[in-house]
Amino acid sequence: AQTVTQSQPEMSVQEAETVTLSCTYDTSENNYYLFWYKQPPSRQMILVIRQEAYKQQNATENRFSVNFQKAAKSFSLKISDSQLGDTAMYFCAFMADLSNDYKLSFGAGTTVTVRA
Amino acid sequence: GAGVSQSPSNKVTEKGKDVELRCDPISGHTALYWYRQSLGQGLEFLIYFQGNSAPDKSGLPSDRFSAERTGGSVSTLTIQRTQQEDSAVYLCASSLARGIQGTQYFGPGTRLLVL
Repeated sequence: AQTVTQSQPEMSVQEAETVTLSCTYDTSENNYYLFWYKQPPSRQMILVIRQEAYKQQNATENRFSVNFQKAAKSFSLKISDSQLGDTAMYFCAFMADLSNDYKLSFGAGTTVTVRA
Repeated sequence: GAGVSQSPSNKVTEKGKDVELRCDPISGHTALYWYRQSLGQGLEFLIYFQGNSAPDKSGLPSDRFSAERTGGSVSTLTIQRTQQEDSAVYLCASSLARGIQGTQYFGPGTRLLVL
């Protein structure tokens, strides 16, 4: 079974600054995918970024980037130039690259508050 | 539709009553998933549909929970004889294909409160 750990329940950041959210995971699989989802107060889970474990290059999506350390099983999310609209709960998630796998395993989430 | 929709948005019920939660996936998405988001439990997988079939029901917490999907589209999650511990947000997601070939897109969820 896979476990995903987010050790920071809450983070606060000043508008325009940078914040980094940590995520570690435990798996015996070699091929897998990692995701960061954002859940604003509207409850809608939105995919922020995704990383394939076989790719060494870190994924980036505009102001969002990840630091993927496969050996350390670490997958942190960096939000640059934080905006008020980034205020949300952020979930790290894992899916194994298996023909019979389809479930996302989620961490407990990190609440990010962007201050004006 | 443009995205996954769920209804009702909020549901308050009395302990022992039955409830039905509905999910409308994105048109053309063959895979559909139900997750539950509880305080202290995080997000947990409940059930997965491929078309109208549910190959994996292992996440359903008890036999009071059931789900069906008709026409390869709408899905209904039914909770019978609700208990207070069933209070949670129930999220539905759909994807174009099963597994990693399809990114899962989530609906806004149904917040269930059992009094």
